[in-house]
Amino acid sequence: SYELTQPPSVSVSPGQTASITCSGDKLGDKYACWYQQKPGQSPVVVIYQDTKRPSGIPERFSGSNSGNTATLTISGTQAMDEADYYCQAWDGSTVVFGGGTKLTVL
Amino acid sequence: QVQLVESGGGVVQPGGSLRLSCAASGFIFSTYGMHWVRQAPGKGLEWVAFIRYDGSNKYYADSVKGRFTISRDNSKNTLYLQMNSLRAEDTAVYYCAKAYSGYAVPFDYWGQGTLVTVSS
Repeated sequence: SYELTQPPSVSVSPGQTASITCSGDKLGDKYACWYQQKPGQSPVVVIYQDTKRPSGIPERFSGSNSGNTATLTISGTQAMDEADYYCQAWDGSTVVFGGGTKLTVL
Repeated sequence: QVQLVESGGGVVQPGGSLRLSCAASGFIFSTYGMHWVRQAPGKGLEWVAFIRYDGSNKYYADSVKGRFTISRDNSKNTLYLQMNSLRAEDTAVYYCAKAYSGYAVPFDYWGQGTLVTVSS
C-alpha cells in the first residue's frame, strides 16, 4: 500500500520560514494536499493540487511537489500557525494521509 | 453555508455494530463525492472510505474492508457508515468530509466528528 512519510515535529521561530516535507514514491506524479488541524478542531485544507491555496488561507502558506517529496512552506510563521499538519494524496483507489507533523512556534 | 453534521457515535462492545450518519446542507449533495475519516485519540488522521457522488463506486481502507460499508441517500442529503465486527482499534472520532469539486481529494469541508468507543 502507498505510504506518505512526514517528520513528527518541526520547530520555527516567529517570523521565520517553516518547511514541512512529505515523502512518497513518485509523489510528484500525484496531487498533494495539506491540512492544518488545531487541538479540538476539525482539519482545514491549506494547500491542494500541490500549490493552490483555498480562499481564506493566508498567502504565507505555499506548496510544492516534485519527485518523491511535497513541501508545505509557511513564510513569516505566526504563533497562530502552531498546529498539526497532514499531507494527503489519492493513489487512484485509496486516500493516504501522512503521519502528521506537529509545528511548534517558539 | 456548507454544513456536515455527524451523529450515531457512542459506546459499543467488541464485535458489535454501529451506524453513523452525516447530514449535509448548504450544497448540492448529489453532485459531490463524500468520505469518512477517523482519528484515534491522540493519533493522526486515517482515511476510512469514499463514495462517489452517485454511489456508483465505493473505496475502503484495508483496515475496514469487509467490515464497514459506506452508503448515501441523495434524496435525504445523508451519508452513512455501517460499521460491523467492531474492534478496540476502531475507537476514534469519525469525521465525514466533502470532496472537492469533481475530485476524490482534497476534502474542502469537514464535520465536527462523532466519537465511537469500542470497549467491553
